[in-house]
Amino acid sequence: DAGITQSPRHKVTETGTPVTLRCHQTENHRYMYWYRQDPGHGLRLIHYSYGVKDTDKGEVSDGYSVSRSKTEDFLLTLESATSSQTSVYFCAISEFHGLGVDTQYFGPGTRLTVL
Amino acid sequence: KQEVTQIPAALSVPEGENLVLNCSFTDSAIYNLQWFRQDPGKGLTSLLLIQSSQREQTSGRLNASLDKSSGRSTLYIAASQPGDSATYLCAPLTGNQFYFGTGTSLTVIP
Repeated sequence: DAGITQSPRHKVTETGTPVTLRCHQTENHRYMYWYRQDPGHGLRLIHYSYGVKDTDKGEVSDGYSVSRSKTEDFLLTLESATSSQTSVYFCAISEFHGLGVDTQYFGPGTRLTVL
Repeated sequence: KQEVTQIPAALSVPEGENLVLNCSFTDSAIYNLQWFRQDPGKGLTSLLLIQSSQREQTSGRLNASLDKSSGRSTLYIAASQPGDSATYLCAPLTGNQFYFGTGTSLTVIP
């Protein structure tokens, strides 16, 4: 399972409050990703990181920020949560094999409800 | 932007049947393509990875093919079992990003 954990696993919050989700990995993988999964939309990339302090935006980055101060931790922050951010959030990491090929592994997910 | 389509959206088959799941993508400039399964309420489990230079990849009863020039991949499942019931997703890697289809929901009836 590539040693990926997410916390919290479930969270209910109110509109306008800040929320931070944490992804932790134990195997020093370079790439880390945050996705959200919604019915009818599949998985959509929010942000990703390609190293400590190196991040880039994905398809649906508005309203989200990320930080990666250590290789093992990738944080996703909703500065002011809205009901449209109710979703299941998945963290993922990428491994590089000998030919430079990526395999992506996913964490168990965080179910976030914004009331 | 890469667009990924998976057909059919849902499929129900009797146990023991062989089946094919389809994935098409609009941008053929991919590095590889990965197939996942997702059980209800769970995360994604990697099944197979096909490099852009490969045509096929096999793991047990699963066989994935890739036709990069035509933007298509298929996942073949042999001798389906009730435990295969799940949603199957494909994800081509384009640049630094994986793009996902909405998946095929498979039900195998005992």
